[in-house]
Amino acid sequence: GNSVTQMEGPVTLSEEAFLTINCTYTATGYPSLFWYVQYPGEGLQLLLKATKADDKGSNKGFEATYRKETTSFHLEKGSVQVSDSAVYFCALMNTGFQKLVFGTGTRLLVSP
Amino acid sequence: NAGVTQTPKFRILKIGQSMTLQCAQDMNHNYMYWYRQDPGMGLKLIYYSVGAGITDKGEVPNGYNVSRSTTEDFPLRLELAAPSQTSVYFCASSYSKDGGGYSNQPQHFGDGTRLSIL
Repeated sequence: GNSVTQMEGPVTLSEEAFLTINCTYTATGYPSLFWYVQYPGEGLQLLLKATKADDKGSNKGFEATYRKETTSFHLEKGSVQVSDSAVYFCALMNTGFQKLVFGTGTRLLVSP
Repeated sequence: NAGVTQTPKFRILKIGQSMTLQCAQDMNHNYMYWYRQDPGMGLKLIYYSVGAGITDKGEVPNGYNVSRSTTEDFPLRLELAAPSQTSVYFCASSYSKDGGGYSNQPQHFGDGTRLSIL
């Protein structure tokens, strides 16, 4: 079956630190991969996506590269801000379906 | 600029009561979804719909019902509320050109309904 595994949080960083949130997946076929972000009291928002191997998704300084050989899609940012504090969800969607499979989410806390 | 609108934002129910969570989207999306989010568990798909008049079960459909009489609306019904249904519920929508042929279209989420059953 399809599944997504994320590192457990919370991840606690100081402002301007480097961020990595690990995500690995198990899937049949060739899924598309996504990172969603959830700010307090809000719904999920698409942060970035990648649809095939070696694609790099990027948005708002965040990046993630679709690595088929390691079945990974790790989220990175070079310098985090307090406003990046949120819960980050890795997800996959398999070919031919419009159903997302989510990881459990990783909470990021950034202090000034 | 509404996107996906969910009502109510908060609700407390007694065991055995029923209620309907409302969801509406104004993006002319054909796909709509209901998820529940439990602490530390990520999101689980309850039901989804690929168009008006068509619905199907997700991972955790027991205790819920849905209908899709219009493209815009996708209400979720709890008939006999149980404590296990205490959760945050999210509605989402997306567009698929060929009824599932495009697998990389993002889902747009509402702000959620926080439901407590006591």
